[in-house]
Amino acid sequence: KAGVTQTPRYLIKTRGQQVTLSCSPISGHRSVSWYQQTPGQGLQFLFEYFSETQRNKGNFPGRFSGRQFSNSRSEMNVSTLELGDSALYLCASSFFSEAYNEQFFGPGTRLTVL
Amino acid sequence: DAKTTQPPSMDCAEGRAANLPCNHSTISGNEYVYWYRQIHSQGPQYIIHGLKNNETNEMASLIITEDRKSSTLILPHATLRDTAVYYCIVRAVKLSFGAGTTVTVRA
Repeated sequence: KAGVTQTPRYLIKTRGQQVTLSCSPISGHRSVSWYQQTPGQGLQFLFEYFSETQRNKGNFPGRFSGRQFSNSRSEMNVSTLELGDSALYLCASSFFSEAYNEQFFGPGTRLTVL
Repeated sequence: DAKTTQPPSMDCAEGRAANLPCNHSTISGNEYVYWYRQIHSQGPQYIIHGLKNNETNEMASLIITEDRKSSTLILPHATLRDTAVYYCIVRAVKLSFGAGTTVTVRA
């Protein structure tokens, strides 16, 4: 069974630009969560989508947004990029969003903002 | 979600068991204990999870105390490939990662 895939794997943008990252969950998984990982803040939860609806949201500004499609694939968008948005963005999928369901992570997209 | 406390680092000899402790004294009744590990620059890898009973799978064993305020992840025969940052997480909905324990397995 194929794992979680994320595209692109690496991205370089400049301040003020916007970026869209994509995540394809494991087949059959309906929940997709996004995380940001930086050396200073560690791994932080961005938001979770289940059946095309946002279920939970972390403490990030409105510049960070996401959506989920009917095939469970998800995208996240960051507008007006700042230097501090440079990070590894991770996507994780699971069957359901309840606590008893383990999440499986993709390899991440490394975003560099210049 | 409850917070967890883990030692920042630990060493382990190859072939020996690695016992990774985690304190989660404020855990709620509906929160599961999860363990993940992250090898440098890769996405976190799921290891094991449990609610109140001890659990074992092909990767590790999870021992949860009766009061659920602490747990121990056991890697039965550590190999060099087990060198990673190990995260203990208690989860009701989202995963909240702390700093984890950096485990270095030495030959």
